[in-house]
Amino acid sequence: EDQVTQSPEALRLQEGESSSLNCSYTVSGLRGLFWYRQDPGKGPEFLFTLYSAGEEKEKERLKATLTKKESFLHITAPKPEDSATYLCAVQVSNDYKLSFGAGTTVTVRA
Amino acid sequence: GAVVSQHPSRVICKSGTSVKIECRSLDFQATTMFWYRQFPKQSLMLMATSNEGSKATYEQGVEKDKFLINHASLTLSTLTVTSAHPEDSSFYICSATGTDTQYFGPGTRLTVL
Repeated sequence: EDQVTQSPEALRLQEGESSSLNCSYTVSGLRGLFWYRQDPGKGPEFLFTLYSAGEEKEKERLKATLTKKESFLHITAPKPEDSATYLCAVQVSNDYKLSFGAGTTVTVRA
Repeated sequence: GAVVSQHPSRVICKSGTSVKIECRSLDFQATTMFWYRQFPKQSLMLMATSNEGSKATYEQGVEKDKFLINHASLTLSTLTVTSAHPEDSSFYICSATGTDTQYFGPGTRLTVL
């Protein structure tokens, strides 16, 4: 059975304090790994898709990396507006469905 | 691009009534749409997958007679919660995809009294 585990569950940061979120996965045939951002009461917002080990993608203060067993979302010099829940999801080779992790809730204090 | 809308954003209904939620892809054709349910402080739980013009595929444990899904066109899918009860109260989110990436709607908060 596909498993996606995110850590930590919650992360409190001071503005400017860089950190990383972890997403470890166990799947039979990874098609893609997705990162989303979700604000309270809203639907997830797409951030990145990673397809193969060694791949990296960046967007503003966020950088996502992928290995064969896990993905990291690095937040560099975060601002209060980066506060959100970050969700990791995997898609297996024979399916377009996504299996989500429980998420990491990031709070950035000014 | 890749905008998905949902309507209504919030609905309150009495127990025993049916509620319909619409999901539209506004700027792309969605070959597949998905319906999720999310409880407070929990992640998304996939309910069903729908492809245009065919019957939806429901996840294990989801009652297909309770949650009716229709995917009539490449830009519209509807979820009808039939004979809603308080335990059906939740945040319902749809997503749409034309390729690998799922783009999500803003969600519908359903409260059943």
